[in-house]
Amino acid sequence: DIQMTQSPSSLSASVGDRITITCRASQSIGTDLNWYQQTPGKAPKVLISAASSLQSGVPSRFSGSGSGTDFTLTISSLQPEDFATYCCQQSYSTPWTFGQGTKVEIK
Amino acid sequence: QVQLQESGPGLVNPSETLSLTCSVTGYSVSSDYYWAWIRQPPGKGLEWIGSVHHSGKTYYNPSLKSRITFSLDTSNNQFSLNLISVTAADSALYYCARDTTLAYKGPLDSWGQGTLVTVSS
Repeated sequence: DIQMTQSPSSLSASVGDRITITCRASQSIGTDLNWYQQTPGKAPKVLISAASSLQSGVPSRFSGSGSGTDFTLTISSLQPEDFATYCCQQSYSTPWTFGQGTKVEIK
Repeated sequence: QVQLQESGPGLVNPSETLSLTCSVTGYSVSSDYYWAWIRQPPGKGLEWIGSVHHSGKTYYNPSLKSRITFSLDTSNNQFSLNLISVTAADSALYYCARDTTLAYKGPLDSWGQGTLVTVSS
């Protein structure tokens, strides 16, 4: 199985801050990397697919980059609705595997 | 737009079978896409259980393969998961989702809200 390692596991930030979350794959996965947002009580939501492709309806303050084994999710200016947990997922080979998640909390 | 809703018992006895159904609206389960089950134990990350296609093709997580059965009901536009011989380690929030990866290299692009299953006597 491909292991996905995210960092940090949590972070505290303020509205308006720029934050970056990283995800590392245990082997090269090209750009087969997706990012999801999880909020308690709500369905997980895909933000970015194929490492950098913003899903329809997702605000442009979200961006993704990377290829191979190292990937990043950046939120350019945190908004109140962005305080949530974010996780990465590789879609290179089954079994699909996820990072452990990064919880973004209000400072 | 596609919507998914999980249903099933919230409490299952150890050693018994966990059965969940995902009802899909706004999109046909007979489409090109696969349909997936994912779970998240309390305080832990997401774990993909597997994906099923209306053709009968299935992909399973090897860690669970010996205990899983998927089915798909095109007449009711839903798909189901059976997990046998459950233990406390199977307690989790269970999600269903549309899997666009296997057909089009996309993401798990639509998810249900999840249903909490506890394994306990």
